[in-house]
Amino acid sequence: DQQVKQNSPSLSVQEGRISILNCDYTNSMFDYFLWYKKYPAEGPTFLISISSIKDKNEDGRFTVFLNKSAKHLSLHIVPSQPGDSAVYFCAARDLHGSSNTGKLIFGQGTTLQVKP
Amino acid sequence: EPEVTQTPSHQVTQMGQEVILRCVPISNHLYFYWYRQILGQKVEFLVSFYNNEISEKSEIFDDQFSVERPDGSNFTLKIRSTKLEDSAMYFCASSRGEGGTGELFFGEGSRLTVL
Repeated sequence: DQQVKQNSPSLSVQEGRISILNCDYTNSMFDYFLWYKKYPAEGPTFLISISSIKDKNEDGRFTVFLNKSAKHLSLHIVPSQPGDSAVYFCAARDLHGSSNTGKLIFGQGTTLQVKP
Repeated sequence: EPEVTQTPSHQVTQMGQEVILRCVPISNHLYFYWYRQILGQKVEFLVSFYNNEISEKSEIFDDQFSVERPDGSNFTLKIRSTKLEDSAMYFCASSRGEGGTGELFFGEGSRLTVL
């Protein structure tokens, strides 16, 4: 049951350049999409989210784009910094199909390495 | 800033033993969750808890698992008879509710190693 997919297990970029992390989903009932950042041996930390009724949300160096027709979202980090090196998880909330529990369904994660 | 806290950070146990993982969610949150991550795999939903009862559980959350909110602040996950495949990081999370941006706040995790 892969409702949320991150097809790239890893990404390496140079410091100062743009990092683009991608995520695809299958369930059109998702109402919010979120990106989490995770360091080893720590819990996921919320980064940015976007409502299904929007196509872009920006917060500082982080921008999330949503393409509902393609069921695709992406996270752009500009400029990338070495401290951004972590695992990035895409997640989606299905408020209608999950008994209103607000649970999140996570993708497999993409390991981002930003080289100095 | 309020945070979700989990104990223990690491527990080693023998197969067949009972384990209890503890969590203190953020105080004004209403929904509580347990997730787990087996090494190198995705973060998987186990169970959600609202209004003192389980609101949803995954296929992973079988009869060996149980959750409890014993005293209004703690939220515990019990594994009755641990198996080798239960070895994973277990994350507790909480949220304000069904409104908002959907953000779940996660704890640092409890690493369970079953030998």
